[in-house]
Amino acid sequence: GESVGLHLPTLSVQEGDNSIINCAYSNSASDYFIWYKQESGKGPQFIIDIRSNMDKRQGQRVTVLLNKTVKHLSLQIAATQPGDSAVYFCAENKGNFNKFYFGSGTKLNVKP
Amino acid sequence: DTGVSQNPRHKITKRGQNVTFRCDPISEHNRLYWYRQTLGQGPEFLTYFQNEAQLEKSRLLSDRFSAERPKGSFSTLEIQRTEQGDSAMYLCASSLTSGGAPDTQYFGPGTRLTVL
Repeated sequence: GESVGLHLPTLSVQEGDNSIINCAYSNSASDYFIWYKQESGKGPQFIIDIRSNMDKRQGQRVTVLLNKTVKHLSLQIAATQPGDSAVYFCAENKGNFNKFYFGSGTKLNVKP
Repeated sequence: DTGVSQNPRHKITKRGQNVTFRCDPISEHNRLYWYRQTLGQGPEFLTYFQNEAQLEKSRLLSDRFSAERPKGSFSTLEIQRTEQGDSAMYLCASSLTSGGAPDTQYFGPGTRLTVL
């Protein structure tokens, strides 16, 4: 399953499928990006980050892709599990290492 | 648990009252951040400290808001004369800066404020 950010704020996928969550960032000066996962009633949890000198970074079951040409970021989750159900935010730094600007988020629902 | 902690987790107050929230960062983290999050939105930056110095404040932080980090460890965020528009989740994050490189911010569970 795949989301297109603001146009599809909720993404529903079947357990075991791969998920792709998209984010369009706003500032060409941004050189550091983070994906956070936020479960209901909890604070955002760091998932993976990427700097602008990279176009891909992999973690455990997650991959972040960065396309600076079109200012687009995506988070791929392999073999999505029910525990992955949450709201996912991308955050950009707009060239400032001291604070982050968050998008409005995409809600991921994983159906068993 | 060695993560960021925040107290209280929930606060209900009447309009016009003052409230104070506390954040305890991860031990030895020198930076501490406050964010505000309203329903359905991502967190918005309010202010941050490096050690005890408050280095940046957002224009979102009106005169009714004040934050302190007196000993460079825990921090407090006070809202005076609360308004219904202050109802939100207030998140604290901390990081260890390595100088010249981005540092990862780790968030606490937040304090949910409801102003009646």
